[in-house]
Amino acid sequence: RKEVEQDPGPFNVPEGATVAFNCTYSNSASQSFFWYRQDCRKEPKLLMSVYSSGNEDGRFTAQLNRASQYISLLIRDSKLSDSATYLCVVNPLGSGGYNKLIFGAGTRLAVHP
Amino acid sequence: GAGVSQSPSNKVTEKGKDVELRCDPISGHTALYWYRQSLGQGLEFLIYFQGNSAPDKSGLPSDRFSAERTGGSVSTLTIQRTQQEDSAVYLCASSLTAQSSYNEQFFGPGTRLTVL
Repeated sequence: RKEVEQDPGPFNVPEGATVAFNCTYSNSASQSFFWYRQDCRKEPKLLMSVYSSGNEDGRFTAQLNRASQYISLLIRDSKLSDSATYLCVVNPLGSGGYNKLIFGAGTRLAVHP
Repeated sequence: GAGVSQSPSNKVTEKGKDVELRCDPISGHTALYWYRQSLGQGLEFLIYFQGNSAPDKSGLPSDRFSAERTGGSVSTLTIQRTQQEDSAVYLCASSLTAQSSYNEQFFGPGTRLTVL
């Protein structure tokens, strides 16, 4: 079983739609969680960290369910510029360890006019 | 300011040759990480440096892979006797330190390695 699993998609949605991505992780001791965005043939960039209480950044909302070992990302009012691959990322050692990141394979989003 | 830079951006080599990939981290970042990304796959952790030492080499896929960092700055990833399965994008990242998971890792543009 992969440490971090995501639906590869693609998710094809019209502009203005709301879309949600899910991710599961296998290490129950994991403490730190992130969503990265990767554009085609570009490097990944941090989109947002995911906190236990859930957090929002503009049109983006991230949530964590520790009991189910499940992370989600919700994008409201999708823009064409949101088209990218969204990577679910987990630090299995948490803040007590070092900054090792485990990446999911990514979920591809395509927003069309 | 300058971000993480990597060179070369593309490298095509023949099976059995050695290659060296270079990473120049953000100035002042003490932690440096190497990952690779095969087509359609997520990033695979290879090795990280805190300063010049590499506490975790567990991700290196075989003894053909090695990395070094001198002067706490530039790092070189060396692949000896390349195989076709080594073809991938090799990404380097740096962060202020490796001691906190909330120190954001900034990635370079990667080196696309093709082994013929």
